[in-house]
Amino acid sequence: SAVISQKPSRDICQRGTSLTIQCQVDSQVTMMFWYRQQPGQSLTLIATANQGSEATYESGFVIDKFPISRPNLTFSTLTVSNMSPEDSSIYLCSVTPVGGASNEQFFGPGTRLTVL
Amino acid sequence: AQSVTQLGSHVSVSEGALVLLRCNYSSSVPPYLFWYVQYPNQGLQLLLKYTTGATLVKGINGFEAEFKKSETSFHLTKPSAHMSDAAEYFCAVRTSASKIIFGSGTRLSIRP
Repeated sequence: SAVISQKPSRDICQRGTSLTIQCQVDSQVTMMFWYRQQPGQSLTLIATANQGSEATYESGFVIDKFPISRPNLTFSTLTVSNMSPEDSSIYLCSVTPVGGASNEQFFGPGTRLTVL
Repeated sequence: AQSVTQLGSHVSVSEGALVLLRCNYSSSVPPYLFWYVQYPNQGLQLLLKYTTGATLVKGINGFEAEFKKSETSFHLTKPSAHMSDAAEYFCAVRTSASKIIFGSGTRLSIRP
């Protein structure tokens, strides 16, 4: 398994500002993903974070709004830019460990974001 | 494209009663299927998964699910509900690109 930490665990932000969320894993992983869970909703995949190259975004999500970095095999960041109240959600990092079964995917504890 | 549909956004059962949460999938390839649980204000935890082999899969906390290809279903069951089972449950399918696609979720409530 993989132990995943996210920072911050929660934040309250003002409209128009940006927040960067960090995802740190205790072991090397092959794939890293970012999900959004809006209040009372299911999880929606935002993008796949690719090491050393641009992230792959899902339909409805763009790099200007959600820039993602992945400088190495254990770390990634997601920035929520120019925030509005509609961005209030839980943001979760998910990983597939190196050497683990390719169908294994572990989730971080999430970052609870409230935008005023 | 793969997808999952969860029937019933909210299920309420009495403590000690059978829990049945329904999930149907759509997949053009043999699916990898999952059930995740999310307790209030907590992250996601994997309950169980089906990849290949035995169609009856046992998970944590006494839960199990049966893969039925003919019915394209992967329903989650537990013989006897406990108060601590109250949570949100998500059925999910893994795509050919290794992404996890989630169903809309089912909130399970347990009545004393």
